[in-house]
Amino acid sequence: AQTVTQSQPEMSVQEAETVTLSCTYDTSESDYYLFWYKQPPSRQMILVIRQEAYKQQNATENRFSVNFQKAAKSFSLKISDSQLGDAAMYFCAYYSGSARQLTFGSGTQLTVLP
Amino acid sequence: NAGVTQTPKFRVLKTGQSMTLLCAQDMNHEYMYWYRQDPGMGLRLIHYSVGEGTTAKGEVPDGYNVSRLKKQNFLLGLESAAPSQTSVYFCASSYGYSYQPQHFGDGTRLSIL
Repeated sequence: AQTVTQSQPEMSVQEAETVTLSCTYDTSESDYYLFWYKQPPSRQMILVIRQEAYKQQNATENRFSVNFQKAAKSFSLKISDSQLGDAAMYFCAYYSGSARQLTFGSGTQLTVLP
Repeated sequence: NAGVTQTPKFRVLKTGQSMTLLCAQDMNHEYMYWYRQDPGMGLRLIHYSVGEGTTAKGEVPDGYNVSRLKKQNFLLGLESAAPSQTSVYFCASSYGYSYQPQHFGDGTRLSIL
């Protein structure tokens, strides 16, 4: 079974600065996909960014980018120019192409300080 | 677009009672999922379905049953609720391609007394 580890239960960042959230995963598969989801206090699960494991190029969505290190099984999320609206719980998730299941990490609570 | 709609949003049950959570999606997605979210933990998969009439167990299926009689609906049942099933339940759906992200409902907060 795959495992996803987020070693930072809480992080904080000053508004307009950059923060990086860590995620590592354990797998023996070659066909998988990685996601970052954001969960604000409203409880909604919002997709932030996704990465196909077969792609070497790191995914980018506006102020959000990832550092995907396949050999190290690492998938960190960088948020640039942090905004107050970025405050939320962030979940890293692994999708197994064979099991067709999404496995979530335990989450990182991000606080943005004005 | 409604997306993924969960009913009800809140519910309080007594131990031993039964109930059904309803998930409806209007995106013509093939795959549907039920998760539970407990404090300090990520979402854990309870059951999922890859098409109408099919269901499969996830990571934590005990104490739950599901049915997918129509493509747009996925029901989660608790036959005899236990306090350990107090949680927030999320439904999600996606197309049948692995790189397509899952779309989530707003969750159901369920308390078992």
